Amino acid sequence: SSELTQDPAVSVALGQTVRITCQGDSLRNYYASWYQQKPGQAPVLIIYGKSNRPSGIPDRFSGSSSGNTASLTITGAQAEDEADYYCKSRDSSGDHLGVVFGGGTKLTVL
Amino acid sequence: QVQLQESGPGLVKPSGTLSLTCAVSGDSINSDNWWGWVRQPPGKGLEWIGEIYQSGTTNYNPSLKSRVTMSVDKSNNQFSLRLTSMTAADTAIYYCVRVIFTALYYFDYWGQGTLVTVSS
Repeated sequence: SSELTQDPAVSVALGQTVRITCQGDSLRNYYASWYQQKPGQAPVLIIYGKSNRPSGIPDRFSGSSSGNTASLTITGAQAEDEADYYCKSRDSSGDHLGVVFGGGTKLTVL
Repeated sequence: QVQLQESGPGLVKPSGTLSLTCAVSGDSINSDNWWGWVRQPPGKGLEWIGEIYQSGTTNYNPSLKSRVTMSVDKSNNQFSLRLTSMTAADTAIYYCVRVIFTALYYFDYWGQGTLVTVSS
């Protein structure tokens, strides 16, 4: 099966901009979606498609994609953005269409 | 507002079978959405288990396919997961999700998760 690679940890100063990346062959064919998970909570969808945000997700979150890399950008990071972030895409590398998650990126807001 | 609620045993014996149910409110199992399961071992990342459509059509993670069965219960607006031959490696928080099965493909609603521990 295919893999999605994320940096294990990233840090950002309060109010600054941070980009979290996700690399994998499946991203050449499928959109990534991004999920935020805070300790003890279920993941929450924050970005899907090119850069679509569900209702209630602040517009400081945006997504982009180029080639085999998808990116999540937080413009003006807030303390409450400290969380784990996971990318996900479809995976057609096997016999059947599946799903693959990235390993997750732990974001620290300094 | 769509809500998903997992239910099932918190403890399963090694070699035993896990059965979980996800009750759906705010949407119909008969809608044009798919329904899925994701798990997360303690302190680790997310793993897709599989998904099911109202018709019973399924897609499973190849690594779990031989042990997984999913089903829908239209009368009770819920869907279920069955995982056999459980080992300690299956200890995880199990989440049910609503799957938007379009070209964009994403999981827009998640249950709160239920911790399943495999231990004798």
